[in-house]
Amino acid sequence: TQLLEQSPQFLSIQEGENLTVYCNSSSVFSSLQWYRQEPGEGPVLLVTVVTGGEVKKLKRLTFQFGDARKDSSLHITAAQPGDTGLYLCAGASNNDMRFGAGTRLTVKP
Amino acid sequence: KAGVTQTPRYLIKTRGQQVTLSCSPISGHRSVSWYQQTPGQGLQFLFEYFSETQRNKGNFPGRFSGRQFSNSRSEMNVSTLELGDSALYLCASSLGVSSYNSPLHFGNGTRLTVT
Repeated sequence: TQLLEQSPQFLSIQEGENLTVYCNSSSVFSSLQWYRQEPGEGPVLLVTVVTGGEVKKLKRLTFQFGDARKDSSLHITAAQPGDTGLYLCAGASNNDMRFGAGTRLTVKP
Repeated sequence: KAGVTQTPRYLIKTRGQQVTLSCSPISGHRSVSWYQQTPGQGLQFLFEYFSETQRNKGNFPGRFSGRQFSNSRSEMNVSTLELGDSALYLCASSLGVSSYNSPLHFGNGTRLTVT
């Protein structure tokens, strides 16, 4: 059983569409991070959110941390083929970091 | 600044054999964590080292072990390999004492195939 549940597991959309992926847990985290992993490479950090209710924007990507610090969402506006990859959320608590299984996003041109 | 380096990139082993994977962290990073990534389970935490001491350990059998050297380089060892050990093994380094308060910088992994 995953400590962090990510949904959807797979998502295939056309270039220009908007999308939201979710990261949910029953546990409270001191911080939550989002990573993107491309084939043949390791995950790369996109953002860290720390405060409940926090919203961070990174160009077309908007990250939100839930008020209770148990969940998070990632919204992408006007998706581009370069956004294709595996999006992973990771929650920090009790001195360790646990990952969700990820959402595999494919953006078709 | 060089990133996290993992060697080898690919490895094929037979059931029952043992394997050692290597990780060189980013210069100045003293924390190294290891993860196993499989399509079904995602990233599973193996262990974390800081200053040559194991600080945290995931829920893996004793066949999985690791160590960290004085220069922060780390190795992990898997003995008596099983088919289910086939996975991408990722190493990540971070500045902080514990990975939770510092972003993780990942290497590109070692893909282990057990036949």
